[in-house]
Order: sequence, then C-alpha cells, then structure tokens
Amino acid sequence: RKEVEQDPGPFNVPEGATVAFNCTYSNSASQSFFWYRQDCRKEPKLLMSVYSSGNEDGRFTAQLNRASQYISLLIRDSKLSDSATYLCVVNGWRDMRFGAGTRLTVKP
Amino acid sequence: NAGVTQTPKFRVLKTGQSMTLLCAQDMNHEYMYWYRQDPGMGLRLIHYSVGEGTTAKGEVPDGYNVSRLKKQNFLLGLESAAPSQTSVYFCASKEANYGYTFGSGTRLTVV
Repeated sequence: RKEVEQDPGPFNVPEGATVAFNCTYSNSASQSFFWYRQDCRKEPKLLMSVYSSGNEDGRFTAQLNRASQYISLLIRDSKLSDSATYLCVVNGWRDMRFGAGTRLTVKP
Repeated sequence: NAGVTQTPKFRVLKTGQSMTLLCAQDMNHEYMYWYRQDPGMGLRLIHYSVGEGTTAKGEVPDGYNVSRLKKQNFLLGLESAAPSQTSVYFCASKEANYGYTFGSGTRLTVV
C-alpha cells in the first residue's frame, strides 16, 4: 500500500464547477500536511497547508481528519487557470511523501 | 531571491557516462532533498540531507550518490548512467514542518 493515496482522476469539469479531491495517508505519526499544485513540465508549488481545524484560502478549502487519516481539497468556482495536477503531501519527521497526483482540467 | 536553483536544466547522457546535478539554495535551510518524478509514479525520494556534512538514503537510492559539503549546496551524482535513470529530477529544501521549496527541475535522458 502506498503511503499517500489520491483519487486517480482525471477530473474534467466546466468553469464555475465545484470539485473535491481526496487523499489518505498510512502513517499515523505524520506531522503536517499540504496540497501542492504542479503545472505541466514545471516544479510543484505549495498551494496551501492543511490544518486540523480546516482552512480556507479564497476559493480553496482544505480539511484534515486525523482519526481517519484523510485529507481533502475543495475548489469552488473553478477557473481555467486551475487546470493542473494537485499533489497531496504528508510530512514525516524527516521528509515529505507525495501522492501520485490528481489531474484537473477545467473547460470553458 | 533565487530560492532553489538547479543546474543543468536539461541533459542527455549515454549509458555508462557520469554526471553531477547541482542544487543551490539561498534560504539557509537545513534540510535538502533530491527527488525523481516519473509518469504515474509521483515524486520518489532518492537521497536527503538534514544538515551540512550529513546525507541519508531515501526510497530509491541505488545508482546515485550525494554530497553536502556546504549548507547551501546539495549535489546528486550518477556514476554510471542507465536508461532507467531517465527522469525529471527535482531538488527541494525546507525547514522543520514547513513545506518544500522546489527547484525548477532537471530533465535527464539516458540513451
């Protein structure tokens, strides 16, 4: 079993749609959690951290459920510019483990 | 503020050749990492360093060596390149529980 598992995708949605990505992790000792965005042929870039109480950043909402070892990302009012691959990332004591990513395409 | 800089950006090697990838960061981060990214596999950790003079193996260390002689630099070496090492290589640095800052990547093809 992979340490971090994500929805396989791809997700193809129209502009303005709401889309949710899910992620589970296996290491209960994981300390911090993130969502990264990766555009085609570019490096991953930090989208947002994920806090236990849940957090929002504009159209993006992240949730963490430590008991279920589950992380989610909700994108509201999708824009064409949201098209990318979204990586779920879990931080252990030494390094971060990445999900394989979920590809999102937002269409006009 | 350059962040994390990787060189070279692209390289084509013949099987058996050697090369070194350089990663430099100007954020005074203690932790540095080398990942490879292959289609459908996500990012996999090759080697990492928790401080100057220290290195450790990650998930996929075979065929690679690293050195961290200076805090700001982390070098990844391929002693005898193989086609299976064709990949995109990313360097990253961070502090404690904060997220990574990545370099822009090195696209390596081994023929």
